[in-house]
Amino acid sequence: DVKVTQSSRYLVKRTGEKVFLECVQDMDHENMFWYRQDPGLGLRLIYFSYDVKMKEKGDIPEGYSVSREKKERFSLILESASTNQTSMYLCASSYPGTGGKQNIQYFGAGTRLSVL
Amino acid sequence: GQNIDQPTEMTATEGAIVQINCTYQTSGFNGLFWYQQHAGEAPTFLSYNVLDGLEEKGRFSSFLSRSKGYSYLLLKELQMKDSASYLCAEDTGRRALTFGSGTRLQVQP
Repeated sequence: DVKVTQSSRYLVKRTGEKVFLECVQDMDHENMFWYRQDPGLGLRLIYFSYDVKMKEKGDIPEGYSVSREKKERFSLILESASTNQTSMYLCASSYPGTGGKQNIQYFGAGTRLSVL
Repeated sequence: GQNIDQPTEMTATEGAIVQINCTYQTSGFNGLFWYQQHAGEAPTFLSYNVLDGLEEKGRFSSFLSRSKGYSYLLLKELQMKDSASYLCAEDTGRRALTFGSGTRLQVQP
């Protein structure tokens, strides 16, 4: 079974703090993703990575950065947390694939971040 | 999610059949996924369609019409544990999927 592990289920931070959200997958997947999930807005892509040290902006990258130093680990960084970044953050991974079922994404359980 | 539409909420009765619809943009279409997400949990993969027609998997089936940009998820013999959000997601060939906002299904006794 694919396992995607996010380091924290719940996190409370203060405005202006630097926040690290960690994600590890154990299936040797090339692709890794960070989404945020908000009521009524669904999952929105923040950043994704298709290889070590490679990254691409998603639909809402502002205020975030990412790091992929090792294939199995993808970190989301909030340089200076703000209250509008309070959300559920979901990490996912998938095989490289050119389409089809290869693009099935496997999700972690999520990190609920509150910024006060 | 942009360009993907699905109803926000649905209610159905235990033992019944429910159909959850999804419309998506047709340009760059590369496949359509359905995920199930229970409250507070990770989304889990349910089904994948890339060709027109019905894919059946036990109590769950998914249908696709590429020309209409339309899919539905059919749940039969509803059980209380089917109460969850159902997410429609489109593969447009850019590695990442584009998700709809999800349909929250409430199954009542």
